[in-house]
Amino acid sequence: GNSVTQMEGPVTLSEEAFLTINCTYTATGYPSLFWYVQYPGEGLQLLLKATKADDKGSNKGFEATYRKETTSFHLEKGSVQVSDSAVYFCALSLGFGGSSNFGNEKLTFGTGTRLTIIP
Amino acid sequence: DGGITQSPKYLFRKEGQNVTLSCEQNLNHDAMYWYRQDPGQGLRLIYYSQIVNDFQKGDIAEGYSVSREKKESFPLTVTSAQKNPTAFYLCASSIEQGNTIYFGEGSWLTVV
Repeated sequence: GNSVTQMEGPVTLSEEAFLTINCTYTATGYPSLFWYVQYPGEGLQLLLKATKADDKGSNKGFEATYRKETTSFHLEKGSVQVSDSAVYFCALSLGFGGSSNFGNEKLTFGTGTRLTIIP
Repeated sequence: DGGITQSPKYLFRKEGQNVTLSCEQNLNHDAMYWYRQDPGQGLRLIYYSQIVNDFQKGDIAEGYSVSREKKESFPLTVTSAQKNPTAFYLCASSIEQGNTIYFGEGSWLTVV
């Protein structure tokens, strides 16, 4: 079946440090890949996405590259801020027919990584 | 403002009672979803609906029921058959031809 494995937390970093949160996946077919962020007490917000191999998603200084050869989608940021403290979820989607070429995806999530940034 | 509204934010239920969580969206999305979040387990899909008057079971549908009588509404009922209902529940939606799912703010359900 489809699954997402991401780096266990919690992760604690100092402000301006470099961040990497690892994510690898297993999927039948060709998934789209996502990073979602959840701030305390809130729902999930889409952070970035990539829909095919070698695509790079980026947003708010975060980046992740879809690596088909290593089945990975690691999240990186060059200089983190206190406001980046949150839980980060890696996810994949395949359309309900088994392809990512059309909508109404069914998301499979990783377990989440709690990130805390210390001033 | 466009978005997904879940209510109530916090809900307490006695054992043996059914409870219904509301989810309304004004994004004109065709597909809607319910996820459950437990600590350390990420999100798991309960039910989803691709169009009005149609819905399908997700990975953990037992003890839950849904309806989709209107495009903008997808309420979730947590029944007394759900053995461990205390969790954070997230509603989501997506457009028919898009590949991004948008989430509501979530509802905390506690069984006392």
